[in-house]
Amino acid sequence: NAGVTQTPKFRVLKTGQSMTLLCAQDMNHEYMYWYRQDPGMGLRLIHYSVGEGTTAKGEVPDGYNVSRLKKQNFLLGLESAAPSQTSVYFCASTQRSRGDATNEKLFFGSGTQLSVL
Amino acid sequence: AQKITQTQPGMFVQEKEAVTLDCTYDTSDPSYGLFWYKQPSSGEMIFLIYQGSYDQQNATEGRYSLNFQKARKSANLVISASQLGDSAMYFCAMREGRGTGGFKTIFGAGTRLFVKA
Repeated sequence: NAGVTQTPKFRVLKTGQSMTLLCAQDMNHEYMYWYRQDPGMGLRLIHYSVGEGTTAKGEVPDGYNVSRLKKQNFLLGLESAAPSQTSVYFCASTQRSRGDATNEKLFFGSGTQLSVL
Repeated sequence: AQKITQTQPGMFVQEKEAVTLDCTYDTSDPSYGLFWYKQPSSGEMIFLIYQGSYDQQNATEGRYSLNFQKARKSANLVISASQLGDSAMYFCAMREGRGTGGFKTIFGAGTRLFVKA
């Protein structure tokens, strides 16, 4: 079972370069998320999507853009990379909430280690 | 605004002993869910346990239990009979209901647990 797949797993960029991280899930999940993980700060939400064609800002959206053109894919873009964006990036997905339910656990990808020099 | 606080950056426990990892949260939404995830050195994120705000009993999953004190807004994770394989980073997370923070899960900074032989 593939679950949530992130590509690439590792990437080194120079300041000012651009790149796109791809997240793909095969569980027909409605909701998808991009987090960044930094030492001492846990996982912080960058952007998220509650359905195809919709995106919203999370806690730390500056410097990132996202797109959800297909339900199974959620792309995270860095238009002009900065050293402060050196981090481990996680994609996650979950099924649609039923009513006011809150028990939807996240399914995570394996992460992307990004270094910006 | 949602907020999750984990005040223990690192914890040590002797093998076979129990350990409690602290988590406090803040939300104005009456409907929310609390989660614990484990991240071993391999980097993957593993779901451990869930507690709903309306659940009357504390959640348990094998050696994991969640000590939920709603009035104090705390959701501590208790690991009984610690094993060497429990050495990992542990994250507390919260998901609010549809009304307020809807659809988002936010994380605390994490606690690194070291199990000593």
